[in-house]
Amino acid sequence: GENVEQHPSTLSVQEGDSAVIKCTYSDSASNYFPWYKQELGKGPQLIIDIRSNVGEKKDQRIAVTLNKTAKHFSLHITETQPEDSAVYFCAASLSRSNDYKLSFGAGTTVTVRA
Amino acid sequence: DSGVTQTPKHLITATGQRVTLRCSPRSGDLSVYWYQQSLDQGLQFLIQYYNGEERAKGNILERFSAQQFPDLHSELNLSSLELGDSALYFCASRWGDRGTGELFFGEGSRLTVL
Repeated sequence: GENVEQHPSTLSVQEGDSAVIKCTYSDSASNYFPWYKQELGKGPQLIIDIRSNVGEKKDQRIAVTLNKTAKHFSLHITETQPEDSAVYFCAASLSRSNDYKLSFGAGTTVTVRA
Repeated sequence: DSGVTQTPKHLITATGQRVTLRCSPRSGDLSVYWYQQSLDQGLQFLIQYYNGEERAKGNILERFSAQQFPDLHSELNLSSLELGDSALYFCASRWGDRGTGELFFGEGSRLTVL
């Protein structure tokens, strides 16, 4: 099955600085790579996703890049704000018609210092 | 609010006991997924149901079982509980098999086995 590794496990950044989280995956057939944000006491929530036919996607301060050859993808958060403090999970999946189960990384706890 | 409801939010029980966790998916969502989140670990996929039928299985123990009912709510049954089963159990739902891959997570059921 798919194995997703995520680094770093914790990340502390100064407010206004950028944060980068990196993930690698094992199954070259995977074609869908979402990122989820989990705030304290809440369930994970999708913040951005990318499919294998594109190399980069942006949504305001958040961007994701994908390198299929190297089998890694990254989340970039620019101009970090205190509300960005949370646990972030990357995931990978082969999105066939009847199988969308996601394999998640272990998570990165991001702390934004004011 | 994701629209996914999980009950109970907290549950404390003893080893050897059996518990049932309940999930009501978003209105109209046909797919339900169960994930286990242990301390310092990512989200481990357990099982997926689509419109009442089992669609995919992950690392679900034989002591665990699940089902999805005609009204689309789902239950996860955990039996012969062990200390290591203490975790946060998440339910997520999705409209169907195709289209967007976004999963909508509930807030989880925290199980403590003493």
